[in-house]
Amino acid sequence: DTGVSQNPRHKITKRGQNVTFRCDPISEHNRLYWYRQTLGQGPEFLTYFQNEAQLEKSRLLSDRFSAERPKGSFSTLEIQRTEQGDSAMYLCASSPKRAGGETQYFGPGTRLLVL
Amino acid sequence: SQQGEEDPQALSIQEGENATMNCSYKTSINNLQWYRQNSGRGLVHLILIRSNEREKHSGRLRVTLDTSKKSSSLLITASRAADTASYFCATDAVPGFQKLVFGTGTRLLVSP
Repeated sequence: DTGVSQNPRHKITKRGQNVTFRCDPISEHNRLYWYRQTLGQGPEFLTYFQNEAQLEKSRLLSDRFSAERPKGSFSTLEIQRTEQGDSAMYLCASSPKRAGGETQYFGPGTRLLVL
Repeated sequence: SQQGEEDPQALSIQEGENATMNCSYKTSINNLQWYRQNSGRGLVHLILIRSNEREKHSGRLRVTLDTSKKSSSLLITASRAADTASYFCATDAVPGFQKLVFGTGTRLLVSP
């Protein structure tokens, strides 16, 4: 399977704990995106990497959130001191930097539940 | 924040019928895309239409775009039970940048 993969698929944590999610993009894609989706809503943009550079962060990404893509391959999204409002599906997507590269390929998502 | 809204929010039809979903957006765009999401899963890209195009086809899908009205429609012909999913339109609200801004989605139920 050469699609975007995300781990874990599900995470249940207690309020105040830290969690980290991983995304492995399609290997030749140099652009990587994180989105958050709450129940009944469309995905909302969180942040975007081109190679290892984080080029944009949404205002949704508070100081408790940090994302990295250290070698321009996989990415991690960490949430510190989780709150119940962080409960959502966290989606990762990747796309190539080339003509016609507007299409983003999404992973299956990590569903987070904060108790 | 969401770029716009899909209409209707929910649609229930029988197999073999056509399904039409509409999307409205707020800002100028470079392109508009439609994605499908099966329950609790990731999104699958369906079709992309550029701002200088008015209609595009892909298999049983037909997409139209009216930039003057800032709206798009997705038509699924001869629907199947497997088409049951949520459908989202997404725009590149900052042309050339790649960030996608999604609508609120239409939940389609196709009954056998």
